[in-house]
Amino acid sequence: KAGVTQTPRYLIKTRGQQVTLSCSPISGHRSVSWYQQTPGQGLQFLFEYFSETQRNKGNFPGRFSGRQFSNSRSEMNVSTLELGDSALYLCASSARLASDTQYFGPGTRLTVL
Amino acid sequence: GEDVEQSLFLSVREGDSSVINCTYTDSSSTYLYWYKQEPGAGLQLLTYIFSNMDMKQDQRLTVLLNKKDKHLSLRIADTQTGDSAIYFCAEKEGADGLTFGKGTHLIIQP
Repeated sequence: KAGVTQTPRYLIKTRGQQVTLSCSPISGHRSVSWYQQTPGQGLQFLFEYFSETQRNKGNFPGRFSGRQFSNSRSEMNVSTLELGDSALYLCASSARLASDTQYFGPGTRLTVL
Repeated sequence: GEDVEQSLFLSVREGDSSVINCTYTDSSSTYLYWYKQEPGAGLQLLTYIFSNMDMKQDQRLTVLLNKKDKHLSLRIADTQTGDSAIYFCAEKEGADGLTFGKGTHLIIQP
C-alpha cells in the first residue's frame, strides 16, 4: 500500500497570506490528523477528521482550519499567516477513529517571510 | 494536562545497546508509541505498546512499560549508524490526539 502523501513538500509564503496544505491518507484509512512541528514547541496536535467531520481539536487559533472529503483526503488551511506559523506540518492517517495507530506522511515545510 | 518527558540527547558507541527513556503523566493513556524521525523526514512508527502490557519485543527493539512509575523505555540492540535520528515517545488517551515528548537525539559514535 502507498503511504501517506502530502503536497506540497515545501512552501514559502509572506505574512498575511493564506495557505492550503493537502494530505492523502493510506488507502482504506478514514481518519486524518494534523500536527505542527516547530523547534520551540515540538509536535502539537491540530485537529482530527473522520468521515468528513472534525472530531477533535487542539489548542490553536481559529486561523487554522481543515476539512475532509468523501474520499478521506484532507486539506488544512491557515489564514492570515504569521511568522510563527513557520513549521513542518505533518499529516497522519489511521484506519479508524481514536485509538488506532497513526501513520505519518513526510510533511509540508512552510516558511513564512 | 498531559506531559511527556524525554532526555534531549543520548550518545552511544556503534554496536552497543541504546536505551531511550520517557516518562508520562496521563494515567489513562491507552497506547504508548515510539516514532523515529530522520533529518528532513516525517515520523516513522517504530513500535507501540498497549497500556496493559509490560514488555514488547520486535527484532532489535524492546519496549518496557512500568505503569506504576509511568515510565516507558525503548532499547535498541546492536546500535548501527542508520539508527542515528530523533526518537519521539508519544501517548494517546481515547479520542485525543497524540501527545509527544520533545524527542531524544540519538548520536552514534564509531
